[in-house]
Amino acid sequence: NAGVMQNPRHLVRRRGQEARLRCSPMKGHSHVYWYRQLPEEGLKFMVYLQKENIIDESGMPKERFSAEFPKEGPSILRIQQVVRGDSAAYFCASSPGLAIGEQFFGPGTRLTVL
Amino acid sequence: DQQVKQNSPSLSVQEGRISILNCDYTNSMFDYFLWYKKYPAEGPTFLISISSIKDKNEDGRFTVFLNKSAKHLSLHIVPSQPGDSAVYFCAASEGTSGSRLTFGEGTQLTVNP
Repeated sequence: NAGVMQNPRHLVRRRGQEARLRCSPMKGHSHVYWYRQLPEEGLKFMVYLQKENIIDESGMPKERFSAEFPKEGPSILRIQQVVRGDSAAYFCASSPGLAIGEQFFGPGTRLTVL
Repeated sequence: DQQVKQNSPSLSVQEGRISILNCDYTNSMFDYFLWYKKYPAEGPTFLISISSIKDKNEDGRFTVFLNKSAKHLSLHIVPSQPGDSAVYFCAASEGTSGSRLTFGEGTQLTVNP
């Protein structure tokens, strides 16, 4: 099954630590998106990347958050010096990058900050 | 500023009846709309989409209706089944390829046997 893969599925960090979330898009997909879902809310766009390029990061918090999608390997969402408010489900989606179309989501990483 | 709104947090229907989930949007630049279904602890699963050049799209038991003048869309599920019980998210994007999705808050659908 070549679906979108995310790991880890669950991640626990203490305040001030770093969190690294990984996403492998579906085979043949070159566009990756990250979304965050806070408790009792809908999904909120964070960043859109293509290989080695950040296309739209308008949803990313200005500090502590960064994302990359290297030429080889998965996309990484990195959160430095985590705070309790970062606790959320982080979803990655991918698309083939053709005309308008749906995005396919991974199972998510649930980050808990203690 | 909530550009996509689902005003009903929950909906309960009987098995076999019709489920109607509603969604309103404010951004006139949106021209592609999608519905996703989500189970707890899983990622959203794509259900059906519609482009703004259409007013209806059908796929099996699922039909999406778009009223551009009212900036309103709805998802009809007929007949509803207990396995349809999930959170349904409406999402919208502007027309360019690779654009981000803006999601509503979701509606919890419960289909009772």
